Amino acid sequence: DAGVIQSPRHEVTEMGQEVTLRCKPISGHNSLFWYRQTMMRGLELLIYFNNNVPIDDSGMPEDRFSAKMPNASFSTLKIQPSEPRDSAVYFCASSPGQGPTDTQYFGPGTRLTVL
Amino acid sequence: QQQVKQSPQSLIVQKGGISIINCAYENTAFDYFPWYQQFPGKGPALLIAIRPDVSEKKEGRFTISFNKSAKQFSLHIMDSQPGDSATYFCAANDNQGGKLIFGQGTELSVKP
Repeated sequence: DAGVIQSPRHEVTEMGQEVTLRCKPISGHNSLFWYRQTMMRGLELLIYFNNNVPIDDSGMPEDRFSAKMPNASFSTLKIQPSEPRDSAVYFCASSPGQGPTDTQYFGPGTRLTVL
Repeated sequence: QQQVKQSPQSLIVQKGGISIINCAYENTAFDYFPWYQQFPGKGPALLIAIRPDVSEKKEGRFTISFNKSAKQFSLHIMDSQPGDSATYFCAANDNQGGKLIFGQGTELSVKP
């Protein structure tokens, strides 16, 4: 299996621009997670989906962030408008289920820099 | 109450030594405690995990020790190797779904 696929791997944009991050989960997995990693705040869960339905979006920082999962093989995380404080590495992870012991498999991440 | 506190922030160990990373939590509803390992430029990957009904779990050179009464758990890496140099995250789940609460991470460097 190819694992979790994220694109782009690196994104540099200017403040105010719209940014869209993409994720393809492992085939057959029905839970998908978006995380943000920064030096200051560590690894934070932004939102997670089960069977394409958002289950917990309490970590989404503000209305500038939105996430969708239109089907079982694709999800997007959008930031509009972007701000310098959004600079971080964004990870997508998938797991076979949403049980606590279901292993989360992380993608390689997207490093976002907002100038 | 949702926090998982991890220490130290960074750790340097000589090859062959024992690396010890500690985590503490407050939420007694947490009942699954995985450790993830992250190499530079990569996403975290599950290393080992434990549930609070056991006090210790060992997989190869990696051992989790769990103290339920103290609400603490730790990762021990025996015979540490340079290839173990990575960032280690403890995490916790409260059995309410897939949501994991991560510690701040420990950057381990094993010197040859």
